[in-house]
Amino acid sequence: AQSVTQLDSQVPVFEEAPVELRCNYSSSVSVYLFWYVQYPNQGLQLLLKYLSGSTLVKGINGFEAEFNKSQTSFHLRKPSVHISDTAEYFCAVTRSGGSYIPTFGRGTSLIVHP
Amino acid sequence: DTAVSQTPKYLVTQMGNDKSIKCEQNLGHDTMYWYKQDSKKFLKIMFSYNNKELIINETVPNRFSPKSPDKAHLNLHINSLELGDSAVYFCASSQGNREGHFGPGTRLTVT
Repeated sequence: AQSVTQLDSQVPVFEEAPVELRCNYSSSVSVYLFWYVQYPNQGLQLLLKYLSGSTLVKGINGFEAEFNKSQTSFHLRKPSVHISDTAEYFCAVTRSGGSYIPTFGRGTSLIVHP
Repeated sequence: DTAVSQTPKYLVTQMGNDKSIKCEQNLGHDTMYWYKQDSKKFLKIMFSYNNKELIINETVPNRFSPKSPDKAHLNLHINSLELGDSAVYFCASSQGNREGHFGPGTRLTVT
């Protein structure tokens, strides 16, 4: 079985400040890792994914994440946030082999203040 | 073109009624899903269909039933609706174990 823990339920930050949203996972097999963003009243949109290769993954909207296998983490970062980044962010993990049966974290609400 | 679409976007109904939510994907993906998102934003996967076969079925009440007429469609039927069924339901699709593509959601309110 696999699990995902998003350590912060809410992260307030001022505009243009850097931000890190934390995600830890547990799994007995190799995994793929994903970050999704959900804007108010919308569906989830893929931000970035780690499948293999470079552990530093760049995504849309200036976000990036680093896969750390030894710490079983996949933290999401952005060097300078905008008001428009205010949204719910979900970390998800799935087995690298077999069908896509994801496990989602409980989400982190990023609130960007002017 | 919309990749994953759902209808209706909003659904308000009374307890005890039966309702359906439709989902279509035009991405050519082989797997489709239904998720329930509660008021605290927690996402729970309900069903997954791969090539018209149910491959996972979480412990949801049997009042919920997925029906897939073809690879591009996965509809959700709900019988005898209860207050606790009020939530946002998302359809999604993926190609194998790649990332999911989500629809815009259907907000179900049971009164």
